[in-house]
Amino acid sequence: EAQVTQNPRYLITVTGKKLTVTCSQNMNHEYMSWYRQDPGLGLRQIYYSMNVEVTDKGDVPEGYKVSRKEKRNFPLILESPSPNQTSLYFCASSSGLAGPRYFGPGTRLTVT
Amino acid sequence: GDSVTQMEGPVTLSEEAFLTINCTYTATGYPSLFWYVQYPGEGLQLLLKATKADDKGSNKGFEATYRKETTSFHLEKGSVQVSDSAVYFCALSGGKNTGFQKLVFGTGTRLLVSP
Repeated sequence: EAQVTQNPRYLITVTGKKLTVTCSQNMNHEYMSWYRQDPGLGLRQIYYSMNVEVTDKGDVPEGYKVSRKEKRNFPLILESPSPNQTSLYFCASSSGLAGPRYFGPGTRLTVT
Repeated sequence: GDSVTQMEGPVTLSEEAFLTINCTYTATGYPSLFWYVQYPGEGLQLLLKATKADDKGSNKGFEATYRKETTSFHLEKGSVQVSDSAVYFCALSGGKNTGFQKLVFGTGTRLLVSP
């Protein structure tokens, strides 16, 4: 089954404690991206990756890092989480820039 | 920059009612337009898309027509079901300012359908 998986689905952490949210897709897609969803703001892109070792900033990259060492994986790293990063995070992939995005189920992060 | 505006919800309907969710966009060039649906506790799923003016996207009884003259992409369904209750997002990609590397989303419209 074609899918995008994210782990964990739910995470509560404290300010400053480094964390990683994993994202993996099994469709051999070149393009992957991360979004955060906040009430009243819709979804905003954090980072995207056109292929292995090629990443770039989206609209709200501050406080986040990403890496793309393998085609199937695109982890999101918060080196020092802060409460304003409390949000619902989605990973997405597609076979090309103009293709439909396949979204993961989401990771709900709470930073206290 | 490019942007998408959706009607605020929630939209509350009875089963078998007609649905319209308005979406307008601001973008230069020739963006592609999308509707995504988010069911409770799940990620977003592509519902339909249109890539050029006058194209009609359709899926599962939902339709939307790309109207360049009114910069709109309204979502319609003739007869909603309880199972259509979800949040619906209008989005665009490929505008001259945005390019194709991201989707620009509206804020979402919650639909509640009662039996």
